Amino acid sequence: RKEVEQDPGPFNVPEGATVAFNCTYSNSASQSFFWYRQDCRKEPKLLMSVYSSGNEDGRFTAQLNRASQYISLLIRDSKLSDSATYLCVVTRPTGTASKLTFGTGTRLQVTL
Amino acid sequence: DVKVTQSSRYLVKRTGEKVFLECVQDMDHENMFWYRQDPGLGLRLIYFSYDVKMKEKGDIPEGYSVSREKKERFSLILESASTNQTSMYLCASSPGPGTLGRLSSYNSPLHFGNGTRLTVT
Repeated sequence: RKEVEQDPGPFNVPEGATVAFNCTYSNSASQSFFWYRQDCRKEPKLLMSVYSSGNEDGRFTAQLNRASQYISLLIRDSKLSDSATYLCVVTRPTGTASKLTFGTGTRLQVTL
Repeated sequence: DVKVTQSSRYLVKRTGEKVFLECVQDMDHENMFWYRQDPGLGLRLIYFSYDVKMKEKGDIPEGYSVSREKKERFSLILESASTNQTSMYLCASSPGPGTLGRLSSYNSPLHFGNGTRLTVT
C-alpha cells in the first residue's frame, strides 16, 4: 500500500462549483500535513498547511481526520485559475529530519 | 521571499555522461532535497541533506550522488547518465532544527526551485 494516496482525477468542474479532494495516508505516526498546488510545467508551491482543528483560507478549506487517516481539501466557488494539480504531502519524524511523502496529485480542470 | 535557484531549466545529455545539477538557496536553510517527478509516480526523494557535508539517501538514490560543501548549495550528480534518468528534477529547501527548533522544523513546508527537465538520449 502506498504511504500517501490520491485520486488522480481529472476532476472537471464548471466555474462556481464546489469540489473536494481526499488524500489518505497509511502511517499513523504522520505528524504534519500540507496541500501543494502545481501548475503545468511549474514547481509545486505551498497552498496551505492542514491543522488538526481544520483551517480555512478564503475559498479553500482543509480538514484532517486522524482516526480515519485522511486529509481533505475543499474549494468553493471554483475559478478558472484554480485549474492545477493538487498534491498532498505528509511528514513524519525519522530522527535527524522529517520524511516528507508526496501523493501523486489530483488534477483539477475548471471550465466555463 | 525564499529563492531556490536551479542552474538549468532544460538539459540534454548523452548516455554515459556525468551530469551535475546545481541548486542554490538564499535563506540559510539547513535542509535541502533533491526530488525527481515522473508522470503517474509523483515526486520521489533521491537524496536530502540536513547540514553541510551531511547527506542521507532518499527513496531512490541508485545512480545518483550528492554534494553539500556549502550550506547554500546542494548538487546532484549523475555519475553515468542513463535514459531512465530522463525526468524533471526538483530541488527544495526548508528551515531545519537550528533555525526553528526541532519540532517546528518538522512542520516547515518546502520551497522548490523551478526544476530542471533533463533528457538523456
